[in-house]
Order: sequence, then C-alpha cells, then structure tokens
Amino acid sequence: DIQMTQSPSSLSASVGDRVTITCRASQGIRNDLVWYQQKPGKAPKRLIYTASSLHSGVPSRFSGSGSGTEFTLTISSLQPEDSATYYCLQHNSYPLTFGPGTKVNIK
Amino acid sequence: QVQLVESGGGVVQPGRSLRLSCAASGFTFRSYGMQWVRQAPGKGLEWVSVIWQDGSVEYNTDSVKGRFTISRDNSKNTLYLQLNSLRAEDTAVYYCARDGGCPGDRCYERLDYWGQGTLVTVSS
Repeated sequence: DIQMTQSPSSLSASVGDRVTITCRASQGIRNDLVWYQQKPGKAPKRLIYTASSLHSGVPSRFSGSGSGTEFTLTISSLQPEDSATYYCLQHNSYPLTFGPGTKVNIK
Repeated sequence: QVQLVESGGGVVQPGRSLRLSCAASGFTFRSYGMQWVRQAPGKGLEWVSVIWQDGSVEYNTDSVKGRFTISRDNSKNTLYLQLNSLRAEDTAVYYCARDGGCPGDRCYERLDYWGQGTLVTVSS
C-alpha cells in the first residue's frame, strides 16, 4: 500500500499570508494526486486534481505542484474562509490512500 | 449539476447489518465508477470501496473485506453499500463520490464530487 504523509499537521497564519502544505508518498505516484478542503460537518471539496490543475470554481489563490513523491498545496493569500482541514489523496493504485490532514487556522 | 445524496445511516448494534444508498443525478451515472469513503468521528478520510461503471470490478479496503459489499443499479442511478457484521470501529460518516477514472491517462474526474454523507453508528 502507498502511505501518504502531510506536514505540518496544523498551522496558524494571518489573513494575507502565503501558506504551503506538503504531501509525500511512500513511492512514486506520477501526478495522481488530488487535494481536498474540508470544513467541519461538511463533505470534502476538491481543490486540485492531477497535482496541479485547479478544479472548476476554486479561487486562483489555490495552487498545487509536484510529481513523483513530493507535492505541495499553496494558498497564495490566506482568507478567513480558508480555515479548514486539507487532505491529499493518491489515486495511483488501490487501496486509495489519504494523507492524515493539515488543519489551517486563522490567527 | 452533479448531485449525490446518501441515505440509510443510523444506529445499529454490533453484528447487525445496514444498507446505504447513494442517489445520483445531474450526470450520466452509468459512465462513471463510484467510490465509498468514510470518516470516523474526529478522524481523517478512509477509502472503503470502489465499483466500476458496469459493476464488473470491485475493490474493498482490507478491514471490510468479507463484510461490506458495494453494488449499483444503473437503471435507478443508485449506488449501494451493504454493511454486514458491523463493528464499533465502523462508526463513521460514509460518503459516496463520483470517479471518472483515467481514460487515455487523463485523470480529470477522479473523486471530483461527493455527497453530504450519512452517519453510521455501531453501538449496543
């Protein structure tokens, strides 16, 4: 099974800050990676697919990069509504596996 | 617009069964694989099961093999998850998600839309 790790597990940043979350795979997964945002009590919402493509309707302050084993999600200018938990998902092979999540708080 | 609506959750005793449903609309259901993902209270996301567009292929995570069965009825645009021999550790919100696969290596629609989830609580 492919293991996914994320760092940091949580962070606190101010409105307007640039925020970066890292996701690492235990083996190469090409660009078979999706990023999700989840707010409490809600279903996950897809932000980024194929590691760097922006899902329709997602603000352009969100971007993704990486390939192989290391990936990043960047929020270029943090907004209050970005307070949420962010997960990566690898879909290169079954079982699909998620990262443990990164909780983003607004200072 | 794509809509997925789960139902069937509830409180059930250990060892009992439950069937979850996911009603799909706003897209051609028979053209998409479908996934189940769960989330235990306060925990992260865990993949559970997948079924191919025509129902010909299914995979399950190891912890549910032999207990959970995924199925679909393309004439009713509905996905199912039969949960048998339930355990306390199966307590979670269960989400269904659409999966467009990777036709021609273009993985544009992998788990792109999710339902709102249905809560399964296994407790005596």
